[in-house]
Amino acid sequence: DGGITQSPKYLFRKEGQNVTLSCEQNLNHDAMYWYRQDPGQGLRLIYYSQIVNDFQKGDIAEGYSVSREKKESFPLTVTSAQKNPTAFYLCASSIVGGGGNQPQHFGDGTRLSIL
Amino acid sequence: GQNIDQPTEMTATEGAIVQINCTYQTSGFNGLFWYQQHAGEAPTFLSYNVLDGLEEKGRFSSFLSRSKGYSYLLLKELQMKDSASYLCAVRGLNTDKLIFGTGTRLQVFP
Repeated sequence: DGGITQSPKYLFRKEGQNVTLSCEQNLNHDAMYWYRQDPGQGLRLIYYSQIVNDFQKGDIAEGYSVSREKKESFPLTVTSAQKNPTAFYLCASSIVGGGGNQPQHFGDGTRLSIL
Repeated sequence: GQNIDQPTEMTATEGAIVQINCTYQTSGFNGLFWYQQHAGEAPTFLSYNVLDGLEEKGRFSSFLSRSKGYSYLLLKELQMKDSASYLCAVRGLNTDKLIFGTGTRLQVFP
């Protein structure tokens, strides 16, 4: 079955620590996205990538970094510079330029908390 | 600026009909999506509208008026499993990015 896999499901970060969230997809999608979801604030875009080795900042990129070395993978690092990292992180993928009714497909999310 | 508004919470009774509204103000428009999200889970795609009118898909229908910047999701014959958050998202012109509303949490009671 094709889909998006995020791991781990739960993650804890200590002060001053960087942590990396994994996102892998086998849908053959070119575009991948990272969102942060906080209660009452909906989904906010952190970073997105439309092609391997290229990515762009979203609305709340400060304190985060990404890489896109393979089409299937788009890991997100939450750095120590992100002072309020506690949130639910969602990864998504889609066809590039598909237009029409092609939706973004989401992974099951990673819940990050501070120790 | 870009803004998408949805009610925060709604309640309804099993077997009833509920309408969840979404209004948007965006710099461009190339489609509106509705997603369902159960607590702690992934959002799942429900419907897509790009032209004015009603799109029906089983118990769920979605309506769009581009001139009014308005959409609604209509859920019929409500079931307990329909208790979830419903997210409205708009895609702008020449982009694959989506702008999401804050979501509407629907609780269905027996």
